[in-house]
Amino acid sequence: TQLLEQSPQFLSIQEGENLTVYCNSSSVFSSLQWYRQEPGEGPVLLVTVVTGGEVKKLKRLTFQFGDARKDSSLHITAAQPGDTGLYLCAGGTPGTYKYIFGTGTRLKVLA
Amino acid sequence: DAMVIQNPRYQVTQFGKPVTLSCSQTLNHNVMYWYQQKSSQAPKLLFHYYDKDFNNEADTPDNFQSRRPNTSFCFLDIRSPGLGDAAMYLCATSRAGTGNEKLFFGSGTQLSVL
Repeated sequence: TQLLEQSPQFLSIQEGENLTVYCNSSSVFSSLQWYRQEPGEGPVLLVTVVTGGEVKKLKRLTFQFGDARKDSSLHITAAQPGDTGLYLCAGGTPGTYKYIFGTGTRLKVLA
Repeated sequence: DAMVIQNPRYQVTQFGKPVTLSCSQTLNHNVMYWYQQKSSQAPKLLFHYYDKDFNNEADTPDNFQSRRPNTSFCFLDIRSPGLGDAAMYLCATSRAGTGNEKLFFGSGTQLSVL
């Protein structure tokens, strides 16, 4: 069974602080995606990383895929209240159409 | 414009009373998924279709069934809902599903079981 563990599970920080969320597994994934979910809505894709060691930047967000394609990180610089939400990583299973979600990180950014 | 539409947004049913949730898509995507998400937890994959090919997760209870009569529509049937089935049910689609495709989610159906 493939599992994706995210840490931390909860994070409450002040506006302007930096943070990093981790997504770890013992399994290899064909891709790693990061989603953000608002209450009462479905998750919305932020980024997809495919190549081991790949780094992608989206404004203040930096995403990295581990060299072995088993883990990923999301770094947010100068967090803003609008960044508040549930952050989910999701791994694409090689040779299938399945995407397995991580355990989630609930972020709250205080003004 | 909404591309993955779930109806209803909120559904209340009684313990043991069958309920059907619906999902439609305008993206013409091959793959459709049903996820169950309990409060503040990650979405859990129940099953998915590649076209009409049905794939059930090993730990999905027999109480949950699905139908995909055509490309655009997919239904989730819960035959005898229990209190533990109260959750948000999310429908998602993707293209060929190579493992690198973006998932498009609907807004979900929040199911309450009384």
